[in-house]
Amino acid sequence: QKEVEQDPGPLSVPEGAIVSLNCTYSNSAFQYFMWYRQYSRKGPELLMYTYSSGNKEDGRFTAQVDKSSKYISLFIRDSQPSDSATYLCAMSARSNFGNEKLTFGTGTRLTIIP
Amino acid sequence: ETGVTQSPTHLIKTRGQQVTLRCSSQSGHNTVSWYQQALGQGPQFIFQYYREEENGRGNFPPRFSGLQFPNYSSELNVNALELDDSALYLCASSLGEGLETQYFGPGTRLLVL
Repeated sequence: QKEVEQDPGPLSVPEGAIVSLNCTYSNSAFQYFMWYRQYSRKGPELLMYTYSSGNKEDGRFTAQVDKSSKYISLFIRDSQPSDSATYLCAMSARSNFGNEKLTFGTGTRLTIIP
Repeated sequence: ETGVTQSPTHLIKTRGQQVTLRCSSQSGHNTVSWYQQALGQGPQFIFQYYREEENGRGNFPPRFSGLQFPNYSSELNVNALELDDSALYLCASSLGEGLETQYFGPGTRLLVL
């Protein structure tokens, strides 16, 4: 079983719709949760990060973390064609030595249809 | 733009050869991490350097090695290339040891024939 599971899609929605992207994880040690957006042939771009359960909002984006269920979500409101990209969830757990690594999901490929 | 640059953008090598990929981090970013991203997959952590010392390593063999320099540049070296090493190689930098605000470069796409 992978530490982080993410539906690879592809997911296609009409412009203006609300998009919901999700990841589940199995490692209880994960403390930090991030969402990255990756356009074709580009590096991942950090969208949001959070370290607590609950919601965090930034413009049209809302990140939601439920540590009890080991489930995180990213919601995109009023979706735009420019939101078409691959969305990657990522998580990290600080080790006893302070170093850590990011563990990524496989990414969900999203297309917003004009 | 993240301020993280990588070179070259594309590279073709043959099996058994050695390759060096380069990354230039944002000024002041003491931590650099390298990732391998196979087609259709999420990035896989290779290793991390903090102030020029290796600070963590993923499940990659010793033929993957790295260096970090005082001028915020770094290298990823891969010896004895295998076909499965074909991937996008990403470097990412962050200010301290925490990776929660990590900025990625555009990547180097390596093809091993």
